[in-house]
Amino acid sequence: EVQLVESGGDLVQPGGSLRLSCAASGFIFKDYWMNWVRQAPGKGLEWVANIKKDGSDKYYVHSVNGRFTISRDTARNSLYLQMNSLRAEDTAVYYCARGARNSQYVYFDYWGQGTPVTVSS
Amino acid sequence: DIVMTQSPDSLAVSLGERATINCKSSQSVFYDSNKMNYLAWYQQKPGQPPKLLIYWASTRESGVPDRFSGSGSGTDFTLTITSLQAEDVAVYYCQQFYDMSHSFGQGTKVELK
Repeated sequence: EVQLVESGGDLVQPGGSLRLSCAASGFIFKDYWMNWVRQAPGKGLEWVANIKKDGSDKYYVHSVNGRFTISRDTARNSLYLQMNSLRAEDTAVYYCARGARNSQYVYFDYWGQGTPVTVSS
Repeated sequence: DIVMTQSPDSLAVSLGERATINCKSSQSVFYDSNKMNYLAWYQQKPGQPPKLLIYWASTRESGVPDRFSGSGSGTDFTLTITSLQAEDVAVYYCQQFYDMSHSFGQGTKVELK
């Protein structure tokens, strides 16, 4: 059974940093592109970033480019999101999602339960 | 970036009746080389993550009831629930995966009338 379990969400002050993790199981992690998607309170879904299966390519939504870094550790079957210079508008539930096929242009077939991030003083 | 616009923002449907949700993309998401529309639909219930329903605009994900169907091509797409059940009350999102923005529509809330 495919499982994605996020952790690391917290309350942080504006300008602060946070590192989110996503533990993957039930599939061959190194064979899939992985994504972070966020959802602000009461709002819709926003794709944040993705990373190629070998970690060699990474892409970001404009609003986080230069502040967030996506990475992965195949040995630990884990996905990460390092978030720096956090802003109030980064407040959201952050979901880890698996790309369904061997491509960056792909839908998301499995999602974690999400981890909440609140940026506030 | 491609902008996805759904309509309506919400709709109330009686049990057993049809629900229709529209999604329009600001540019075509049809990829000519493989003749596929890069469009997916998700269902999100309160307090839960999104769940994949439809991909390639009309292919139902395994385990999704056949009352859910997707149609359309190019820039205009539709999600239809042919006979609404109580468990279908949720917010539905379309998403394009034609370009790197992977943008979602704003969501359509389906409620019981």
